[in-house]
Amino acid sequence: DIVMTQSPDSLAVSLGERATINCKSRRSVSYSSNSKSYLAWYQQKPGHPPKLLISWASTRESGVPDRFSGSGSGTDFTLTISSLQAEDVAVYYCQQYYSTPYTFGQGTKVEIK
Amino acid sequence: QVQLQESGPGLVKPSETLSLTCSVSGYSINSGSYWGWIRQPPGKGLEWIGSIYYTGSTFYNPSLTSRLTISADTSKNQVSLNLTSVTAADTAIYYCARGRTATGLLDYWGQGTLVTVSS
Repeated sequence: DIVMTQSPDSLAVSLGERATINCKSRRSVSYSSNSKSYLAWYQQKPGHPPKLLISWASTRESGVPDRFSGSGSGTDFTLTISSLQAEDVAVYYCQQYYSTPYTFGQGTKVEIK
Repeated sequence: QVQLQESGPGLVKPSETLSLTCSVSGYSINSGSYWGWIRQPPGKGLEWIGSIYYTGSTFYNPSLTSRLTISADTSKNQVSLNLTSVTAADTAIYYCARGRTATGLLDYWGQGTLVTVSS
């Protein structure tokens, strides 16, 4: 299994400030043949299912605000919220879909400071 | 709009079989996607259980393979999960989700259903 580790486990950021979440995979989740990283980011609010925010490490889903951005390749990835809004309070998960069993990070809880 | 809805018993006794159905609307399950099950113990993280491809091919989490069956009924546009010999460790919210274009990228999710394993 490809183990996914997120850091930090939680962070508190002031409204309007930047939030950065890191995700590290134990093995590369990028294919050199197509230059794609099989890494997604999800947002989960209490009582709701996860919502896909970013696919292929950096492609924002339709309707996702542009304050959310993803970067990275190989084994190291980052989700950045450039200017935290109140509605961004949630738990964020990274997921590799490079190989089965697909695996998720343990989650990072984002709160308002 | 693709919609998924999980259904099944909310309470299962230990050693019995957990059976859930995912009803899909707005999209035909044999149109070229994966259909996956994911679970989340209360207050914890996400675990991928397994997927079924529109061709009928299945992919299971090795930690559950011996107890797991995922199947599809194209006539009803439903995907099902059966997990045998359950224990308290199987207590979780169970989600079904669509895997976009034959990948494990999960773009549409059901609301989830809580299954508690208890006598």
